[in-house]
Amino acid sequence: AQSVAQPEDQVNVAEGNPLTVKCTYSVSGNPYLFWYVQYPNRGLQFLLKYITGDNLVKGSYGFEAEFNKSQTSFHLKKPSALVSDSALYFCAVRDMRVTTSGTYKYIFGTGTRLKVLA
Amino acid sequence: DTEVTQTPKHLVMGMTNKKSLKCEQHMGHRAMYWYKQKAKKPPELMFVYSYEKLSINESVPSRFSPECPNSSLLNLHLHALQPEDSALYLCASSQDSGNTIYFGEGSWLTVV
Repeated sequence: AQSVAQPEDQVNVAEGNPLTVKCTYSVSGNPYLFWYVQYPNRGLQFLLKYITGDNLVKGSYGFEAEFNKSQTSFHLKKPSALVSDSALYFCAVRDMRVTTSGTYKYIFGTGTRLKVLA
Repeated sequence: DTEVTQTPKHLVMGMTNKKSLKCEQHMGHRAMYWYKQKAKKPPELMFVYSYEKLSINESVPSRFSPECPNSSLLNLHLHALQPEDSALYLCASSQDSGNTIYFGEGSWLTVV
């Protein structure tokens, strides 16, 4: 079954400390992986993606993510957290099964609330 | 520019009303999506249009009716909704259905 898991409902980190938001996936074949951030009362904003190539992907706002094929993980990281990073983070994977109409679906994780403490 | 514009931002409607949510993108994307999101939950796929044709309907009740008038516009027509349909409705687009999805800011719908 194609799936993505975010094992932590909430992550708390002090401002200035490094942060990690975890994501693991289960798909057949090579995964297309994404991270999105959602600030309160806003839509989802694309942060970064992994399709192929370097395992370390750099994205917006100083975020990066590390693709680990052996551990089937795609953890989101940032070297120094800001209070303004506090938001809801979603990991997503493209379902590798194409529908009969030739369209792909995306599977979202349940989300992790990041709280950065001043 | 990766902008998807949704109107209105907020909508309150009665259970007998007919209203529409509108979405527009000018990125030349050929896939457009409607998602429904409840508070603190992941977005749930409702519909996908690919090249202006409905390609996915996730068994959405018929009181929600999507329309894609052209490659830049996507509408969601609402009729006889229930209070449990109150949610954030997100429009999104991608170059095609296999690429990065870009979301709009959403339309907050309250059904009274």
